[in-house]
Amino acid sequence: KAGVTQTPRYLIKTRGQQVTLSCSPISGHRSVSWYQQTPGQGLQFLFEYFSETQRNKGNFPGRFSGRQFSNSRSEMNVSTLELGDSALYLCASGGGTGLRDGYTFGSGTRLTVV
Amino acid sequence: AQSVTQLDSQVPVFEEAPVELRCNYSSSVSVYLFWYVQYPNQGLQLLLKYLSGSTLVESINGFEAEFNKSQTSFHLRKPSVHISDTAEYFCAVSWPGFGNEKLTFGTGTRLTIIP
Repeated sequence: KAGVTQTPRYLIKTRGQQVTLSCSPISGHRSVSWYQQTPGQGLQFLFEYFSETQRNKGNFPGRFSGRQFSNSRSEMNVSTLELGDSALYLCASGGGTGLRDGYTFGSGTRLTVV
Repeated sequence: AQSVTQLDSQVPVFEEAPVELRCNYSSSVSVYLFWYVQYPNQGLQLLLKYLSGSTLVESINGFEAEFNKSQTSFHLRKPSVHISDTAEYFCAVSWPGFGNEKLTFGTGTRLTIIP
């Protein structure tokens, strides 16, 4: 079966702009989580959506938001970009038993803010 | 606060030698434990997991990890490493409960295999 698809793979944006990242989970999976990976802070949880509802949220400012559509695809938006938002953003897809099966991660979107 | 600690940021090992990557967590309640591997320019791949039951869990590529409740550890081991094992390894923990579907990761250990 197809894996987790994240688009785009690479993105360069200017400080102050906004950006939208997309994640298509494994077919049939209803949970989508987002993580930010940076050399300084490591892997940090952003938020998790399940059946179009945000179920968990990490400690990120309100500039970071997301949503999930009825087909389980998810988007993450970052407004008013800062240099510190440069990171690899990873999406994780979860099935019916959630973490018990372990999440499947996409290859990520590498965002560079200049 | 609940946390995960990977004490070694880098581990160099000669090819065919054994390796142990250490992971400790802090929690007063039951946890799920995971090891993920990340190859360059890729996402995370699940290596193995502990949910309950047998404290020794194995992966298909020769890695194993042992859950030790008294020492709150979940160290990853392999008896003989290969060049292809060069990657970054992340230990992660989750606290099972309704609606708490998130992973807390350690800072990662970069495993370098020396030919």
